[in-house]
Amino acid sequence: AQKVTQAQTEISVVEKEDVTLDCVYETRDTTYYLFWYKQPPSGELVFLIRRNSFDEQNEISGRYSWNFQKSTSSFNFTITASQVVDSAVYFCALLHGSGNTGKLIFGQGTTLQVKP
Amino acid sequence: KAGVTQTPRYLIKTRGQQVTLSCSPISGHRSVSWYQQTPGQGLQFLFEYFSETQRNKGNFPGRFSGRQFSNSRSEMNVSTLELGDSALYLCASSGGNMNTEAFFGQGTRLTVV
Repeated sequence: AQKVTQAQTEISVVEKEDVTLDCVYETRDTTYYLFWYKQPPSGELVFLIRRNSFDEQNEISGRYSWNFQKSTSSFNFTITASQVVDSAVYFCALLHGSGNTGKLIFGQGTTLQVKP
Repeated sequence: KAGVTQTPRYLIKTRGQQVTLSCSPISGHRSVSWYQQTPGQGLQFLFEYFSETQRNKGNFPGRFSGRQFSNSRSEMNVSTLELGDSALYLCASSGGNMNTEAFFGQGTRLTVV
């Protein structure tokens, strides 16, 4: 079965702290894509990153970085020097199999609160 | 480039009624997917349309249906509304293959009373 688990329901940090959001996925497919989305209070899901199963390179984009490890089926997201504007719900998602285009499987989300 | 537009943003309906939600994808995108978000079940896939054809379907009852027009705009319809249909309905637009990301609209907040 395909599944995404975000074990952290809520995380609260103080501004400027680093924070890591965990994501563990399950799939039997060899070709799949992993995503992270941010959902601010407005409700829109904002795309952050896409990673395919053949590319295990870690990625850094400004204060954001992602660690993809196939050996542990994890795709963790780190925010360095967090800011109040980072407060949101973050979702990890999986897109698997050639016949499942458009069908993202989401984790339950992690609510991040960054306090000033 | 305009983003994904969903209308209306908010709706209040009574049990038993039906509702139609609309989604205009990003220009050039041919795939539109719909998701339901509730506090209990999280984000769940409803269905995907590509070039006016339903390409994928989630595990929802037949009361949930959709369609896509030739300009890629999509509508979803929920008939005989139940209280449990209260949710945020999100539409995602993409190029239609696995190697593209999906961009989401702001959603339609449906409340069934």
